[in-house]
Amino acid sequence: GNSVTQMEGPVTLSEEAFLTINCTYTATGYPSLFWYVQYPGEGLQLLLKATKADDKGSNKGFEATYRKETTSFHLEKGSVQVSDSAVYFCALSDQTGANNLFFGTGTRLTVIP
Amino acid sequence: GAGVSQSPSNKVTEKGKDVELRCDPISGHTALYWYRQRLGQGLEFLIYFQGNSAPDKSGLPSDRFSAERTGESVSTLTIQRTQQEDSAVYLCASSPGLAETGEQFFGPGTRLTVL
Repeated sequence: GNSVTQMEGPVTLSEEAFLTINCTYTATGYPSLFWYVQYPGEGLQLLLKATKADDKGSNKGFEATYRKETTSFHLEKGSVQVSDSAVYFCALSDQTGANNLFFGTGTRLTVIP
Repeated sequence: GAGVSQSPSNKVTEKGKDVELRCDPISGHTALYWYRQRLGQGLEFLIYFQGNSAPDKSGLPSDRFSAERTGESVSTLTIQRTQQEDSAVYLCASSPGLAETGEQFFGPGTRLTVL
């Protein structure tokens, strides 16, 4: 079946620190992989995506590389800002039928000045 | 509006009552999804609509849950005889149909509290 396991939080970092949030997946086919972000008081929004092995998704200084050999899609940012404080969700779409998204449990990031 | 909208934003109800949650997808999006997010947990798929095809109801947790969609527009999620374990945020998402990448666009959610 399809599932996503991501690093449990909460994570607290100082501004300008390096961020890694781990995500691994199990899928029956060739999924697309996503990171969604939920800022306080807002809805889920797509942060970045990768649709095939070795692709790198990037946005707002965040990056994640689709690693088929390790079934991972870890989120990284070199220097976090207070405005990055949010809950981050790793997800996969199995590209079949409904294209349902399978989500991890979310990781809450708090960045302190 | 440009995005997915949901109403109400908050709903408090008593155990045993029925509730209806509404979702307005992005205009032109043929696919519509409902998810449930319990406190401290990830999103749980409930149901999926694609155009005029029969909906995929495989994620509905019990027969107290049902959903309808009128054409390619508004959807209503109904929970009958609510239970305390139904308390959660219910999220709706839409997408432009069978998009290659599977990206979905989410509404702000309805927070349901069952007393």
